Amino acid sequence: AQTVTQSQPEMSVQEAETVTLSCTYDTSESDYYLFWYKQPPSRQMILVIRQEAYKQQNATENRFSVNFQKAAKSFSLKISDSQLGDAAMYFCAYRSGAGNMLTFGGGTRLMVKP
Amino acid sequence: DTEVTQTPKHLVMGMTNKKSLKCEQHMGHRAMYWYKQKAKKPPELMFVYSYEKLSINESVPSRFSPECPNSSLLNLHLHALQPEDSALYLCASSHQWTGGYEQYFGPGTRLTVT
Repeated sequence: AQTVTQSQPEMSVQEAETVTLSCTYDTSESDYYLFWYKQPPSRQMILVIRQEAYKQQNATENRFSVNFQKAAKSFSLKISDSQLGDAAMYFCAYRSGAGNMLTFGGGTRLMVKP
Repeated sequence: DTEVTQTPKHLVMGMTNKKSLKCEQHMGHRAMYWYKQKAKKPPELMFVYSYEKLSINESVPSRFSPECPNSSLLNLHLHALQPEDSALYLCASSHQWTGGYEQYFGPGTRLTVT
């Protein structure tokens, strides 16, 4: 079974600074997808970024980028120019290419200091 | 329209009550999901519907009864719940249930069982 680990329960960053959230996963599969979801205090889970395992290029979405290290099974999220609105719980998630079940990490609570 | 809606936003019910949660999407997605989320924890998958048929039941107690009347609607019928069932119930949908299609989440229903 796949497992996803987020080793940082809480992180804080100063507004306008850069922060990196860590995620590692364990799988024996070669075809899979990785996601970062954001859940603000208002509760709605929003997809931040996705990465296909077969793609070597790291995904980027505006201020959000990932560092995907397939051999190390690491999938960290970098947030540049942090904004107050980035404060939220961030969940790393894994999905097999064969199925559609998401395996979530335990989450990292990000606080942004003004 | 990339929206999943859920009603009600909040629900308080006694252990002998019968109530229903409703989820709706108009994105043409053919897979829909119910998750249960406790505070500061990741979502836990309960049920998956694919093309209006129940595909996955993650050993959920029978006091939770899902229903998919059509491709846009997903209900969760609740009966004889226990206080430990108090949680945020999230609905999600995706284009299909196989492959790396991202799941779009609704805002959730905050359920309190008294």
